[in-house]
Amino acid sequence: DVKVTQSSRYLVKRTGEKVFLECVQDMDHENMFWYRQDPGLGLRLIYFSYDVKMKEKGDIPEGYSVSREKKERFSLILESASTNQTSMYLCASRDRLYEQYFGPGTRLTVT
Amino acid sequence: TQLLEQSPQFLSIQEGENLTVYCNSSSVFSSLQWYRQEPGEGPVLLVTVVTGGEVKKLKRLTFQFGDARKDSSLHITAAQPGDTGLYLCAGYGGGTYKYIFGTGTRLKVLA
Repeated sequence: DVKVTQSSRYLVKRTGEKVFLECVQDMDHENMFWYRQDPGLGLRLIYFSYDVKMKEKGDIPEGYSVSREKKERFSLILESASTNQTSMYLCASRDRLYEQYFGPGTRLTVT
Repeated sequence: TQLLEQSPQFLSIQEGENLTVYCNSSSVFSSLQWYRQEPGEGPVLLVTVVTGGEVKKLKRLTFQFGDARKDSSLHITAAQPGDTGLYLCAGYGGGTYKYIFGTGTRLKVLA
């Protein structure tokens, strides 16, 4: 079974802090994604990585950056957390059949 | 902009009833996925449909991809409380890394 894990299930941070969210997949997938999910807005793509050190902006990249130094690990960075970044963050990886597998999510609260 | 409209948005039914959830778009997709998401968790992949007209069954769940690959349906027979959750469809257009997510159907099955 594909396994995608995320470093934290719940996180509370203060405004202005730098926040790191980590995602690890164990299936040697090349493609990995970061989404945020908000009530009424659905899933929105923040960033996508198609290989080590390769990334593309998604629909809402402002205020975020990413890092992919190893194939299995994709990190999302909030440079200076703001209250409007309070959300559920979901990482996913994709196989060669274009099927996405999601991690359990990180519920981030910025106060 | 590609959109995937799901209907109904909310559904509350008694155990043992049947139901159908619809996922519609004006765009053609090369594949379409269905997920179930429980509160506080990441979406779990249920099925991927690829061929127009394709029907796939997963125990009491039947998934169909429209002939023109623009729409899909999920039919649940004899719903059980364990089927409760948010059902999401996601279309993959090909030629791009992006998935278009549906607006979601929140199902509650009462015992």
